[in-house]
Amino acid sequence: QQQVKQSPQSLIVQKGGISIINCAYENTAFDYFPWYQQFPGKGPALLIAIRPDVSEKKEGRFTISFNKSAKQFSLHIMDSQPGDSATYFCAAGTYKYIFGTGTRLKVLA
Amino acid sequence: KAGVTQTPRYLIKTRGQQVTLSCSPISGHRSVSWYQQTPGQGLQFLFEYFSETQRNKGNFPGRFSGRQFSNSRSEMNVSTLELGDSALYLCASSLGWLTGPDTQYFGPGTRLTVL
Repeated sequence: QQQVKQSPQSLIVQKGGISIINCAYENTAFDYFPWYQQFPGKGPALLIAIRPDVSEKKEGRFTISFNKSAKQFSLHIMDSQPGDSATYFCAAGTYKYIFGTGTRLKVLA
Repeated sequence: KAGVTQTPRYLIKTRGQQVTLSCSPISGHRSVSWYQQTPGQGLQFLFEYFSETQRNKGNFPGRFSGRQFSNSRSEMNVSTLELGDSALYLCASSLGWLTGPDTQYFGPGTRLTVL
């Protein structure tokens, strides 16, 4: 009930392509779903977050899609750039959250 | 507003020693959470402090302990270090009020190497 499963573990995308990272949760009480981006040598930084009252949230090239019935949510990075190369963590919870295991994204120039 | 700061940034210790890491949260934040990050295990929650009290605890042995001071600064202590304790230790601060999503803001981490 407390796990957040994230896939894939790693992802290689060509510049300009779409990167998609998926997460699934089990606890239906979860109502906050943030994504964090982490560059080497840095702490994770909040990228974008969604509440379950909407099915999609977009900020620039980053979009979260949320499927409440399937208990799944995903991060889409449009027009992926080499500067997006980082590790991405999804999380889910109520006032506190549980992190997924991370996806290492590499965008090829 | 200054971000979360952690000191030191790097530490090298030997097995059996103990270590203390420090975290200064964002001004106004009263909750400090600690995480261990390793390549194979991702972000593992250690514990959370709010108003000088441990509010939540993860599944780590008693060698890992922490405390929080009245100014919300927090320290984490690891005693009798083991090789497996080598990791990036991250501190995250948040407002801490349990009235809604409590966004966490991470520091840069302390890289601990145990030889």
